[in-house]
Amino acid sequence: AQKVTQAQTEISVVEKEDVTLDCVYETRDTTYYLFWYKQPPSGELVFLIRRNSFDEQNEISGRYSWNFQKSTSSFNFTITASQVVDSAVYFCALSEETSGSRLTFGEGTQLTVNP
Amino acid sequence: KAGVTQTPRYLIKTRGQQVTLSCSPISGHRSVSWYQQTPGQGLQFLFEYFSETQRNKGNFPGRFSGRQFSNSRSEMNVSTLELGDSALYLCASSLAKGTGRNIQYFGAGTRLSVL
Repeated sequence: AQKVTQAQTEISVVEKEDVTLDCVYETRDTTYYLFWYKQPPSGELVFLIRRNSFDEQNEISGRYSWNFQKSTSSFNFTITASQVVDSAVYFCALSEETSGSRLTFGEGTQLTVNP
Repeated sequence: KAGVTQTPRYLIKTRGQQVTLSCSPISGHRSVSWYQQTPGQGLQFLFEYFSETQRNKGNFPGRFSGRQFSNSRSEMNVSTLELGDSALYLCASSLAKGTGRNIQYFGAGTRLSVL
């Protein structure tokens, strides 16, 4: 069965600090997709990134970067020079090729960036 | 392009009543999925519809049902409401049916309170 674990329930940092959100996943499929979503207080889940299981290349997008390591089943997310607007709940999610578009989410990490 | 629209944003019902939630997907998107978000259980998959047919279903009782119309709009119905049904219900749309390679875009949700 598929499972996603985000061990960090809450993280609090001061503006301009770098912060890494951890995500560990479990799956038996060889083809799967990993996602990060952001949920601000408004409630909408905002898509950030998708990575498939055959692409372990790390990605950087502005202040965001993602580190995908199949050997440790991890897909970690780093925000560089955090800003107050980054405060939100961040979810890591997994979708297996055999389970359709069903997303299995982690518990979420509440990130608070203080000025 | 308009995003995923969910109506209403807030609902208050009493135990035993039934409720219908509505979701309009992004224009051109044909797949609609529903998720329930609660503090205790997190984000859980309810079901997915594509071409007016349910393609995938999560582990929820039969009180939870849905449908999709020919214009891809979807409704979710919960009958005989229980206190535990209080949650944020999120709708997501994607271009095509059921594989993880399709990115799901979420609406802002309907917050249901059952008294």
